[in-house]
Amino acid sequence: GAGVSQSPSNKVTEKGKDVELRCDPISGHTALYWYRQRLGQGLEFLIYFQGNSAPDKSGLPSDRFSAERTGESVSTLTIQRTQQEDSAVYLCASTPLGQGTEAFFGQGTRLTVV
Amino acid sequence: GQQVMQIPQYQHVQEGEDFTTYCNSSTTLSNIQWYKQRPGGHPVFLIQLVKSGEVKKQKRLTFQFGEAKKNSSLHITATQTTDVGTYFCAGDTGRRALTFGSGTRLQVQP
Repeated sequence: GAGVSQSPSNKVTEKGKDVELRCDPISGHTALYWYRQRLGQGLEFLIYFQGNSAPDKSGLPSDRFSAERTGESVSTLTIQRTQQEDSAVYLCASTPLGQGTEAFFGQGTRLTVV
Repeated sequence: GQQVMQIPQYQHVQEGEDFTTYCNSSTTLSNIQWYKQRPGGHPVFLIQLVKSGEVKKQKRLTFQFGEAKKNSSLHITATQTTDVGTYFCAGDTGRRALTFGSGTRLQVQP
């Protein structure tokens, strides 16, 4: 596609429910990042996929968070047993060669846990 | 772990005034990138600096990378209302994912 696509754009869920967020990177981009951005805050790194290497999961805040990526295509971020503090915009970005190259961001998924 | 600090958090200027944001990394970087996020939008890449002491210009924007490759700055000359947004630096050590600074939110009063 023309850019990084994320879905859904907005998600409201009840506390305790699981949610799945999707990211379609730009075709051919080998690296994919997930970031979390709370209202008025910076970008908090969650996880990084680069080709077939083991993902860098060092930013995942708890074991309720997990992410998968199939090859160099779609990635899903799953949050289990959502809590109110999980409310944020979840941003996905992809880069053509991984480190040292420009990151292209999607529009984000705004998650609200009520 | 690597930390990237950015100051100030917020700056309010009159249109036509200059603006500067500063970025400092706890570790030496292989490169640094700058992004702009408009209100309600997503971060958009502005520029990448790679060389020690490098200075790059984009119209009214001037970007610098420190000699030690641990700090950087973005300077905007004669701000305009279109400059409103949050400016993020992002440090790349070449070993892991980009680490973003906390951002500087710029408000420009017409």
